[in-house]
Amino acid sequence: GAVVSQHPSRVICKSGTSVKIECRSLDFQATTMFWYRQFPKQSLMLMATSNEGSKATYEQGVEKDKFLINHASLTLSTLTVTSAHPEDSSFYICSARDPSRGGNTEAFFGQGTRLTVV
Amino acid sequence: QKEVEQNSGPLSVPEGAIASLNCTYSDRVSQSFFWYRQYSGKSPELIMSIYSNGDKEDGRFTAQLNKASQYVSLLIRDSQPSDSATYLCAVTGTYKYIFGTGTRLKVLA
Repeated sequence: GAVVSQHPSRVICKSGTSVKIECRSLDFQATTMFWYRQFPKQSLMLMATSNEGSKATYEQGVEKDKFLINHASLTLSTLTVTSAHPEDSSFYICSARDPSRGGNTEAFFGQGTRLTVV
Repeated sequence: QKEVEQNSGPLSVPEGAIASLNCTYSDRVSQSFFWYRQYSGKSPELIMSIYSNGDKEDGRFTAQLNKASQYVSLLIRDSQPSDSATYLCAVTGTYKYIFGTGTRLKVLA
């Protein structure tokens, strides 16, 4: 199946700093990528949909100025958590679909990034 | 009403039994349905996809879809302790990919 790579897998940062998470589709071109956040023992919550070459679409309640998404190429989307606070500590996961496989097919997930803000 | 609903569990079944996981969704225009398995601290991995009404079997797994009832299920036959995980139902329509809260399955040896 298609491969999505996410980096870093773990990051610890100080409160007030910014952290960038990368999501790459390795063997297909992803015009759309999805960013999720998952708190312990909870489900994946869609944060935003990243569109190549245009602005991301954010879900209600997600601060676009805090969670900056850039999808500059067909294989790379980045999520930057700005001015991180301890409550931003979570598991962040990206996913992408391979458009060459047809519409509404399965999404492939990155390995996830465990962010801890101290 | 949540867009995709699952019983959070835990659902406990003995080894070798059939585990039955259920999911309902609210958007009638939903077109594609997926079951993912997620181990603690890991990313979800796809188990099954189903697009049309009826049953779809793959090894020990069977997905069932009933669009009229807006219901999709996953059966795991001959459950193994290694099947213990959280199972996420995902539904997609025209654009979004929405997950249920997940059902935690425990297979008891």
